[in-house]
Amino acid sequence: EPEVTQTPSHQVTQMGQEVILRCVPISNHLYFYWYRQILGQKVEFLVSFYNNEISEKSEIFDDQFSVERPDGSNFTLKIRSTKLEDSAMYFCASTRGGPAQYFGPGTRLTVL
Amino acid sequence: SQQGEEDPQALSIQEGENATMNCSYKTSINNLQWYRQNSGRGLVHLILIRSNEREKHSGRLRVTLDTSKKSSSLLITASRAADTASYFCATENTGTASKLTFGTGTRLQVTL
Repeated sequence: EPEVTQTPSHQVTQMGQEVILRCVPISNHLYFYWYRQILGQKVEFLVSFYNNEISEKSEIFDDQFSVERPDGSNFTLKIRSTKLEDSAMYFCASTRGGPAQYFGPGTRLTVL
Repeated sequence: SQQGEEDPQALSIQEGENATMNCSYKTSINNLQWYRQNSGRGLVHLILIRSNEREKHSGRLRVTLDTSKKSSSLLITASRAADTASYFCATENTGTASKLTFGTGTRLQVTL
């Protein structure tokens, strides 16, 4: 069964460094999402992406964040200058158009 | 309280018993979904109920929705040890273009 994959599974970085989190959505899906979950807290929406542009973004998704679909398969989340509070589990999700979203296993980002 | 509050926060039952989890939300919704998350893993879609539906079944899962009370419940019948996980409700709110707003989650422990 097709699934969403994410790399790396765990990323450790120094504060102020740039990180790129990668996702490969399910191949025939059209809508892509990033969510994050700070340890012990709710899963929070960051951004949705459709037709090569951002559809919606949350207040969390400030100028330090960007998303890109550089080719037909990858979907990336870039954090330009990481802060301690960016430490979280980041989930990518995709859907063909229906409401149920298919989530990847997540990337655990630790900012030191 | 915030959108998507769930109770109980934690639930411990024995195998074979039924588990009921509740979710409340605040805004108008298109649909409500339940997801499962095993420890340190991604979210798996379980079941979706639309705003014009009151009850839905899928295997051992039964979900109800009361839009007048802005609440939903998830019932897992004849629970198994493998059902041990965190369960989250997520709403697709009206006018939000498919982003999901997650609840706080219920940690279910099923013991032998």
